[in-house]
Formats: sequence, structure tokens, C-alpha cells
Amino acid sequence: DTAVSQTPKYLVTQMGNDKSIKCEQNLGHDTMYWYKQDSKKFLKIMFSYNNKELIINETVPNRFSPKSPDKAHLNLHINSLELGDSAVYFCASSQGSREKLFFGSGTQLSVL
Amino acid sequence: KQEVTQIPAALSVPEGENLVLNCSFTDSAIYNLQWFRQDPGKGLTSLLLIQSSQREQTSGRLNASLDKSSGRSTLYIAASQPGDSATYLCAVRIGTGANNLFFGTGTRLTVIP
Repeated sequence: DTAVSQTPKYLVTQMGNDKSIKCEQNLGHDTMYWYKQDSKKFLKIMFSYNNKELIINETVPNRFSPKSPDKAHLNLHINSLELGDSAVYFCASSQGSREKLFFGSGTQLSVL
Repeated sequence: KQEVTQIPAALSVPEGENLVLNCSFTDSAIYNLQWFRQDPGKGLTSLLLIQSSQREQTSGRLNASLDKSSGRSTLYIAASQPGDSATYLCAVRIGTGANNLFFGTGTRLTVIP
């Protein structure tokens, strides 16, 4: 009965590969997010999506793309992975954009 | 641009002590402020959400206060326990939209049995 679940928990891959991280929420929330947490533990928003509007942080490379098949899912696709993409990626959701955020447990991506 | 600072970066206390974690922000025009805890290898768990019109929120042994005019929030933890050991982050929202939520870098709390 996990509220926000993301898979895989760990992802190790080679430079240049394409990978996806899946996220699902069963809270009935209308807004989902992807965050990146770097080695210094700083959380940076990448995307938010509320089935009407996709907001992209302009600093995110276009190799990153969110895909939402329905309001309960927001997957993250990454093309041509680079060493600097290594980080922990968190999915989150909320009801509206001003309410409490609920986070998944994170996906630790290591690019070799 | 909103900047959120949490000092100290790390704090160790003996079990049973009351403690205060600090969060400072530069722009007082906020919608709300949220405190989270993050356990190693885990996601963030929301602890308390204070709306801009509120001065404090309480949940169990936790009490969060908000002083917008001075750009400060504190998280008070009473009778600390080893299970409280985690990183505590505050996040300030200045508007709707995900790009308007700003996180601090956290305070890593260790409660020593």
C-alpha cells in the first residue's frame, strides 16, 4: 500500500545508454514531480505535471523527458546518459501545487 | 530568488534532550513552509506544513513555528529519541507551480542513546 512507488531502486548503467525510471502514486493526487538530489543532498526540481500542464525546469537537459500515461503515473526517460547524471532521483506527488508533497523512496542512478 | 538556509548542517544530541532546528529564508512573501525528514537511502517524509497565515503547527513531539517577517522557521523536537536520527529539510513555497518550491540543504541530526 505504498503511496508513491518508484522502480528500480538502483540503476547502474554505461555512458550513452537510454534508461527509464517508473513512478506510480495511489493517493489520487493530480500533480506529480521529478526531483534530482545531488551528492551534496541538494534537491532540485526537474518537472511537474498535473495532466494539464507540464512545467519543465529550464536547466534540465532535453535528454530528460517525462511521460505520463495517466494521472497516477509519471515516468522519467533519460537518453544518452552522461557521468554527471549520476544522482538520486525522487518522484513525488501532491493534490494541487500548494499542498503536502509525498515522496517515493528514490532511485539511485550510477552512470559508469 | 528565494534562498533557504539550514544551520547547523549537522547536530548530535544525547537521547532525551529537547532540540531546535533552524530554517532561514530570504523572501518573506511565502505561501507555506514544509518540514521533512529523510532517512538514509529513503525518500522524504512530510512532517509539518505551515501556511503563511499560521504561526505554528504541532504533531506529537514536533512543533514547527513560522515568523515570516524575520524569514525564519524552527522545528522543535521534544524528548529526542534515537529514532529521530535523520536529515531534516525545510522547503519554502513562494507560489503555485513546482518551480516555486525551494529546499534547504538540511540538518543531519544524530540522537545518541
